[in-house]
Amino acid sequence: EPEVTQTPSHQVTQMGQEVILRCVPISNHLYFYWYRQILGQKVEFLVSFYNNEISEKSEIFDDQFSVERPDGSNFTLKIRSTKLEDSAMYFCASSERDLPITQYFGPGTRLTVL
Amino acid sequence: DQQVKQNSPSLSVQEGRISILNCDYTNSMFDYFLWYKKYPAEGPTFLISISSIKDKNEDGRFTVFLNKSAKHLSLHIVPSQPGDSAVYFCAAIPNTGNQFYFGTGTSLTVIP
Repeated sequence: EPEVTQTPSHQVTQMGQEVILRCVPISNHLYFYWYRQILGQKVEFLVSFYNNEISEKSEIFDDQFSVERPDGSNFTLKIRSTKLEDSAMYFCASSERDLPITQYFGPGTRLTVL
Repeated sequence: DQQVKQNSPSLSVQEGRISILNCDYTNSMFDYFLWYKKYPAEGPTFLISISSIKDKNEDGRFTVFLNKSAKHLSLHIVPSQPGDSAVYFCAAIPNTGNQFYFGTGTSLTVIP
């Protein structure tokens, strides 16, 4: 069964550094999403992406965040200057059509900001 | 603001019995609801969904009930199996956009 993959599984970085989290969505999917889950809290929507542009973003997704689909297979989340409170699990998801069709989630990247 | 609430952080059930996971929401604009299951070190996986025009949806051992007037939905698992042990997230989508609003999750343990 096709699956969404994410790399790395765990990223440790110093506060103020830039990080790029990578995702490979399912190949025929057209809609892409990033979520995060701070330890012990709910899963939060960050951004959705379609046709090479952001279609929706939450208030969490401020100027320090950006997304890109650089090569037609990868979907990346860049955090420009990481803060301690960015430490979380970051989940990528993709779907074939727009919601409310189900999304397929990747296994997540654990980001630790020191 | 917690628009989707799962008030029970954990639940333990004997194998073969019914598991009932509950979810409450506050936003009357939500019109589609989903349940996700999450195992450790894995992303959430879709389990079952329900549209606001229905009050029940069934898929095998899993049934979701929606009570719109009470802004409450529940997931029933019958019979519960040890492999059902996981964290279950309730999620809701408003009719105004495509953002998911997740609950904080309920950790289900099915005891053999």
